[in-house]
Formats: sequence, C-alpha cells, structure tokens
Amino acid sequence: NAGVTQTPKFRVLKTGQSMTLLCAQDMNHEYMYWYRQDPGMGLRLIHYSVGEGTTAKGEVPDGYNVSRLKKQNFLLGLESAAPSQTSVYFCASRRLSGWTESDNEQFFGPGTRLTVL
Amino acid sequence: GQSLEQPSEVTAVEGAIVQINCTYQTSGFYGLSWYQQHDGGAPTFLSYNALDGLEETGRFSSFLSRSDSYGYLLLQELQMKDSASYFCAVREGNYGQNFVFGPGTRLSVLP
Repeated sequence: NAGVTQTPKFRVLKTGQSMTLLCAQDMNHEYMYWYRQDPGMGLRLIHYSVGEGTTAKGEVPDGYNVSRLKKQNFLLGLESAAPSQTSVYFCASRRLSGWTESDNEQFFGPGTRLTVL
Repeated sequence: GQSLEQPSEVTAVEGAIVQINCTYQTSGFYGLSWYQQHDGGAPTFLSYNALDGLEETGRFSSFLSRSDSYGYLLLQELQMKDSASYFCAVREGNYGQNFVFGPGTRLSVLP
C-alpha cells in the first residue's frame, strides 16, 4: 500500500510556463483534494473531487484546473504559472463520508515544492 | 465567511502538558479535526470530534464545544518528537465535503 503519492517532488518553472501535478491513491477513496501551503500558514483548498468525473472549486481556485478521469488519480494543472503560485502543494484523499473518526481522516501525499521564477 | 484562530506559537518542556486552542466561525459545521505536521513533512491526522466532549487517544486528547465554537488539543507527557506544527480543521460544506484549516500552532518542546 503506497497510500497517496505525488509527482514531481520538486519543480522550478518560469513565469508563463504550464505544468501538471499528479496525485495517485491506492485506497479506493472517493474524495480527493488539492491544497497549497505557503510558508508559516495553514493549508488552503484549491479544488476537490467527490468522485470520478466530478470536480469542484475550493477557496483559492483561480489559475488552476483539475481533472479526475480515474478514481485513483487527481491532476492539478497550472496553465500559465505566476510567481504567486510558488508554494508547496499537497494532495489528500478521504473515503466516503461517515460519522466515525476514521471516515474523516484525510491521507496526505508528501507534497510538491513548486517555485515560479 | 469561515475563519479559524489558533495561537501562533507554544513552548513547553519535556514531560509537561500543553493545550492548543482553536476557535472557529463557519457555516454548516460538521466537526473539528487536528493534524500534526513536522517541518518538511506532510500533515498527519490526529483526531476528529463531531460531538461535544473529550476524545482520548494515547497521550493526545481533543475536545469540542459546538455551542462555544471552540476546541482544543491536549498533549500530555510531552516528548521532543512532539515539536511540530498543529493545525485544527473544520469540516464544512453543504454535505460536509470540505475542510478549512487554521493557521497552525508551532509547538516547541524544550529539554
């Protein structure tokens, strides 16, 4: 069981370049999330998905797009990178909602450290 | 809108007890989670409270008061490895599908 994996681990982009971050989970979870974390701050939700083929906007969606073509994968795209998108990006997954504690546990990937010059 | 408040830093010595508070303002509240994050690492889940009261898991306990929009994480018998950032997160949304994270509390455990 690999849990949640993210690729790449590090990336440096120039302003205006595009890239895709890949998140994969092998726990058959319905929910998947993309967060960004800036230095000394909490995580902010970019986009999320409640199942294959569905996506929705989070708190800070501008400048990002997502796709969930397969249940186990959640892709985050930056169409035209800007320095303000320099951050650490975390993907997380969670199983279908319930009332138990374990139903509410988000499993996080190791993160992607992105720098936009 | 949603907002969560936590102390930015807490310092304690090994073996001591520390409480990290979290107050929140949000709509559609479902529950309160706590996560631990070591420097350079990913957040890891500690607890989730949906109902009022205290939940205990080993050295860590978490408390929720829905009427006061308040919760706390209690860490007992502190160890050096507990030095990390701790985040509270509110589960919210029309169907409880989202989580809003607080700014985090940096805990330093001194020998």
